[in-house]
This record gives sequence, structure tokens and C-alpha cells, in this order.
Amino acid sequence: EDKVVQSPLSLVVHEGDTVTLNCSYEVTNFRSLLWYKQEKKAPTFLFMLTSSGIEKKSGRLSSILDKKELFSILNITATQTGDSAVYLCAVEGVRDDKIIFGKGTRLHILP
Amino acid sequence: SAVISQKPSRDICQRGTSLTIQCQVDSQVTMMFWYRQQPGQSLTLIATANQGSEATYESGFVIDKFPISRPNLTFSTLTVSNMSPEDSSIYLCSVSDRGWGYTFGSGTRLTVV
Repeated sequence: EDKVVQSPLSLVVHEGDTVTLNCSYEVTNFRSLLWYKQEKKAPTFLFMLTSSGIEKKSGRLSSILDKKELFSILNITATQTGDSAVYLCAVEGVRDDKIIFGKGTRLHILP
Repeated sequence: SAVISQKPSRDICQRGTSLTIQCQVDSQVTMMFWYRQQPGQSLTLIATANQGSEATYESGFVIDKFPISRPNLTFSTLTVSNMSPEDSSIYLCSVSDRGWGYTFGSGTRLTVV
């Protein structure tokens, strides 16, 4: 059965800290891994990863994929209170044009 | 990336009634996806909607409870029928947006009382 497991499920840090969020997966015929940020209702797209070892970066956020070990990490450096959100990892398989979500990591940044 | 207009944004409904949620996309898309997110949980796929054919439902979801329409390549509706408090959730539509992953509508927060 395809699945996505995220850890930790929740995390509280102080502003300025660096955090690493983890996502491991099992999926038939992997196509891509996706990271989203969900603050209120709609998830907003962060990264799409398809190749191992290539870091994707956007400002203070970065992510990398390891297709051999079947996991990805999302790093956030110099965290700000605006980074407080639920971070969702999702995986897409080739066979089905749909994605499977993990339970998310609820990140809270203390001022 | 695609832009999806979803409405209503929120609603409070009486048990036993039905609510129809609409999603309008600013471009033509082959498939649209409907998700449910129960409080404190992740997103669960309800069904995939193709234009011109019946929607494909995931395990645990049935057409009588969640009928879906897909009259054209830019529009879809999801109805939550005969609602109970357990249907209180956020409902989201989504489309595949190559290069941008999957884009989501703004979501509908449903409370059933």
C-alpha cells in the first residue's frame, strides 16, 4: 500500500532557529514528491522534487530528495513567526495521476 | 500556474441537508480532484472527476453521498448530501499543474450542526 510518513508531527522552536522536516514514502512507480505549506485552508505549493540529490531552494527554504532511501527533507533556516503552518509532504505515482499526502508537520515559531 | 476559484468559502448547515461546492479553473484541465480534510487530519482524496464521464471514487466514498458533476473542462461541483456532524471538514478541489505540482482551490470550511 502506498504511504507517506512525516516526522515530527509537531514542532515548536524559537524565531531564528533552523528546522528540518522529514518525509519518507513508499509508492508504486514514483513520479514526484511535493511539499506544501498550509496556513488556513488551501495548501500552497513549495517544491516539486523528481531527481535524487538535487537541492531545490527558495529563500530560506530548501529541500532535497533521496530516491534510494525513499525520503525527503525540508529545511527552513532563520525561521520567522510567519513560517508557522502545517507542512505537508505528498507523493505522486506514475500509474495514477493523483497524490497521497502525509499527515503533516505542525510547525509553531515562538517570537 | 492555474488559478482556481472555489465557493462557498465557508458554511454552517443543518444535519440532513445538502451543500454544493463549486470550483472554477481559469484554464482547461483534464482531471479535477476533490479532497476532504477533517479537523487535525491530512488531506484525503474523495474522487477524481473527468469531463464527460462519471467520477472515480476512492475507497470509503460513494456517489450517493458525494455526487460530483463535471460539465466542462473548467468547472466541477461536489455535493455533500444528507449531512451529519461527521461531515464537518474542509473540502478542497485541485488540479494537476505541471511544473507547479497540484494547485488547490481556496477551500470550503463546512460545519454541520
